[in-house]
Amino acid sequence: KAGVTQTPRYLIKTRGQQVTLSCSPISGHRSVSWYQQTPGQGLQFLFEYFSETQRNKGNFPGRFSGRQFSNSRSEMNVSTLELGDSALYLCASSLGGSGENWNIQYFGAGTRLSVL
Amino acid sequence: AQSVAQPEDQVNVAEGNPLTVKCTYSVSGNPYLFWYVQYPNRGLQFLLKYITGDNLVKGSYGFEAEFNKSQTSFHLKKPSALVSDSALYFCAVRGDQTGANNLFFGTGTRLTVIP
Repeated sequence: KAGVTQTPRYLIKTRGQQVTLSCSPISGHRSVSWYQQTPGQGLQFLFEYFSETQRNKGNFPGRFSGRQFSNSRSEMNVSTLELGDSALYLCASSLGGSGENWNIQYFGAGTRLSVL
Repeated sequence: AQSVAQPEDQVNVAEGNPLTVKCTYSVSGNPYLFWYVQYPNRGLQFLLKYITGDNLVKGSYGFEAEFNKSQTSFHLKKPSALVSDSALYFCAVRGDQTGANNLFFGTGTRLTVIP
């Protein structure tokens, strides 16, 4: 089974621009979560989507948004980029729903965003 | 509210020796606990989880973790360290909202296994 795929792997943007990151979950997984990883703040939860609905949201400004498509693929958008948005953005998928392993999250390699 | 603490930023251990990476947690209700490992320029890899049951959980690559409810700890262990175990290790707890599937991570512990 293919793992979680994130594209692109690297992005360079300038302040004020917007960016869209993509995540393809493991086949059969219905939940997709997004995390931001920075040296200063560590790993922080952004939001989770399950069956095209945002199920949970972290403490990030409204510039950060996401969506999930009917095939469970997810995108994350950051508008009006700031220098502090430079980070590794990680996507994780899980089965969601029920079952013994429903909540084990499997991570992609991440998208490294640099804001200049 | 939930949180995880990893008190050691760095752990050094000689190859072949046992290793322990410490984690304590705070959560309302029953804890769902996880360990992940991150290699350079890679995402996080799942090692093991504790939901209920035996306090000693066995996971991937020979790792295990011991859940201790009274001490609210979930330490990661391995009987014999390998150089290839050198990486960044994260302990995580699931959010305690009903239906939540988000993880709260510790700050990470960098493990270095010395040949």
